Amino acid sequence: QKEVEQNSGPLSVPEGAIASLNCTYSDRGSQSFFWYRQYSGKSPELIMSIYSNGDKEDGRFTAQLNKASQYVSLLIRDSQPSDSATYLCAVNKLAGGGNKLTFGTGTQLKVEL
Amino acid sequence: SAVISQKPSRDICQRGTSLTIQCQVDSQVTMMFWYRQQPGQSLTLIATANQGSEATYESGFVIDKFPISRPNLTFSTLTVSNMSPEDSSIYLCSVRLTGGGLIRYEQYFGPGTRLTVT
Repeated sequence: QKEVEQNSGPLSVPEGAIASLNCTYSDRGSQSFFWYRQYSGKSPELIMSIYSNGDKEDGRFTAQLNKASQYVSLLIRDSQPSDSATYLCAVNKLAGGGNKLTFGTGTQLKVEL
Repeated sequence: SAVISQKPSRDICQRGTSLTIQCQVDSQVTMMFWYRQQPGQSLTLIATANQGSEATYESGFVIDKFPISRPNLTFSTLTVSNMSPEDSSIYLCSVRLTGGGLIRYEQYFGPGTRLTVT
């Protein structure tokens, strides 16, 4: 079982729709969770971090965390073509793993006109 | 966030040679990291660059192959030694910012160095 799992996609949504990206993780000791956006040929850009169970909203982005289910998701409302990118889920483990971030393989999102 | 620069942005190297990649941050940071992203793959942590001491390497990465320096709180280098085509990858440095009395674990990435080994 991979430490951080994501559906590779591509996930295609029409412009204006809600895109839902999902991530599961295997280590119950994980404490903090991040979503990065990576455009082709560019480096990852941090778009959301979440530390506590529940929802966290920032503009069109909402991160959702459920530690009991070991599940974190990212919702993108009113999707735009500029949102087309690969979205990486990252998980930070504190105990033993120090400050190490473990990344999923990413979900490719395509927002179609 | 911080402004992070890397040099070179890309390079094409011959097998058997070495390349040193520089990472510069515009503010002092405690934690700096080096990652590799192979074509079509996700990010893999190579090592944590510790200021004033030896880097901490992840499983599968060794100091002889990837020596790292961290002379101060704003600068680090990663050397890819005795390169082979399998080392063709994007190499990224990242930093973790601290301050404000809060412990945060967000990491911010530099623009990356695209390395091709022929």
